[in-house]
Amino acid sequence: AQSVTQLGSHVSVSEGALVLLRCNYSSSVPPYLFWYVQYPNQGLQLLLKYTSAATLVKGINGFEAEFKKSETSFHLTKPSAHMSDAAEYFCALIGQGGSEKLVFGKGTKLTVNP
Amino acid sequence: DAGVIQSPRHEVTEMGQEVTLRCKPISGHNSLFWYRQTMMRGLELLIYFNNNVPIDDSGMPEDRFSAKMPNASFSTLKIQPSEPRDSAVYFCASNLRLAGVNEQFFGPGTRLTVL
Repeated sequence: AQSVTQLGSHVSVSEGALVLLRCNYSSSVPPYLFWYVQYPNQGLQLLLKYTSAATLVKGINGFEAEFKKSETSFHLTKPSAHMSDAAEYFCALIGQGGSEKLVFGKGTKLTVNP
Repeated sequence: DAGVIQSPRHEVTEMGQEVTLRCKPISGHNSLFWYRQTMMRGLELLIYFNNNVPIDDSGMPEDRFSAKMPNASFSTLKIQPSEPRDSAVYFCASNLRLAGVNEQFFGPGTRLTVL
């Protein structure tokens, strides 16, 4: 069985502060891991993905995530938040081996305060 | 590339009416997914197709929901009859397999309101 847990349904940071969104996973097979972002009234857009090539993954808009197998985590970070980062963020996984079904976390809504 | 196209973007209907949502996947993608998003349940996978064949429909809530993919460039999700609890945003996504990794591309969604 596979699952994704995102700690904190809402996270609030000040503009310029560090963004840390937490994601833990459970998977019986090695996973590929993804972070998606959803801006208001839009579909999901891929931020970055872990495909076992490198544990530190850089994505768009200055975001990065680190895969830690020992902690079964894939936390998303950005050094300095911008107002435009306000959105909902989803962590997801696919089991390696050809699976096509994404398993999503419940999402974390990020608010950036001026 | 235009991305995944969904229509309509917004649909308001009355309880009991038939609703048809449409999706055009990205050309060359061979898998298509239908999701539903609500505040209460989050993002749920309803059904997905591979090469136009339904592979997993375990997420379809009940017989009122049906989905078809008559060809590689078109899919529909139908609700008949619709109920207020079907109100949600419905997303379509298509899948590209690159270097052994599946990546899904999402459409903008259809916001359905059933009165």
